[in-house]
Amino acid sequence: DVKVTQSSRYLVKRTGEKVFLECVQDMDHENMFWYRQDPGLGLRLIYFSYDVKMKEKGDIPEGYSVSREKKERFSLILESASTNQTSMYLCAITGSAIMNTEAFFGQGTRLTVV
Amino acid sequence: GEDVEQSLFLSVREGDSSVINCTYTDSSSTYLYWYKQEPGAGLQLLTYIFSNMDMKQDQRLTVLLNKKDKHLSLRIADTQTGDSAIYFCAESLGGYNKLIFGAGTRLAVHP
Repeated sequence: DVKVTQSSRYLVKRTGEKVFLECVQDMDHENMFWYRQDPGLGLRLIYFSYDVKMKEKGDIPEGYSVSREKKERFSLILESASTNQTSMYLCAITGSAIMNTEAFFGQGTRLTVV
Repeated sequence: GEDVEQSLFLSVREGDSSVINCTYTDSSSTYLYWYKQEPGAGLQLLTYIFSNMDMKQDQRLTVLLNKKDKHLSLRIADTQTGDSAIYFCAESLGGYNKLIFGAGTRLAVHP
């Protein structure tokens, strides 16, 4: 059974705090993604990584950074949390082979910034 | 450019067919997907279609792809209350299988 595990289901943080969201996978997949999901906007890609220590900006990287020191772990960092970063954050993984394109998602982390 | 669009709401009567539509802009997409998200749950792959196909059928689900118009649709036959969910259309781009999602269509099934 594929496992994409996000460290927290719910988080409440204060404005200005540094926030770490962790994602761990056990599928040995190359590609890992961070999305945020907001009503009426769907899933928007923040950052993705295709290899250890490699990262690419998605559509909305501002205010975020990422870290991938090990293949199985991809971290999303909010350097200084703001209220407009209140959202549902979803981690996803895909393989690199042409036939292995299904994305597997974590359960999501609902972050509230107060 | 990368953009996927779909209507936000659809309401159908139980037992009727549902058709959820999606348009995308990038003609280089290799795969197109439909994901389902039930309340409080993560996204689950419902079905997908390879870009050189026109149609794919899987039990109650039929996916139609019109590459010329960049239009994708999902038809659910005999819609049940358990089909109530948000349905996301997505396209896969590039060698990293980056997925670009639409805003999601909320399907409400009523008696």
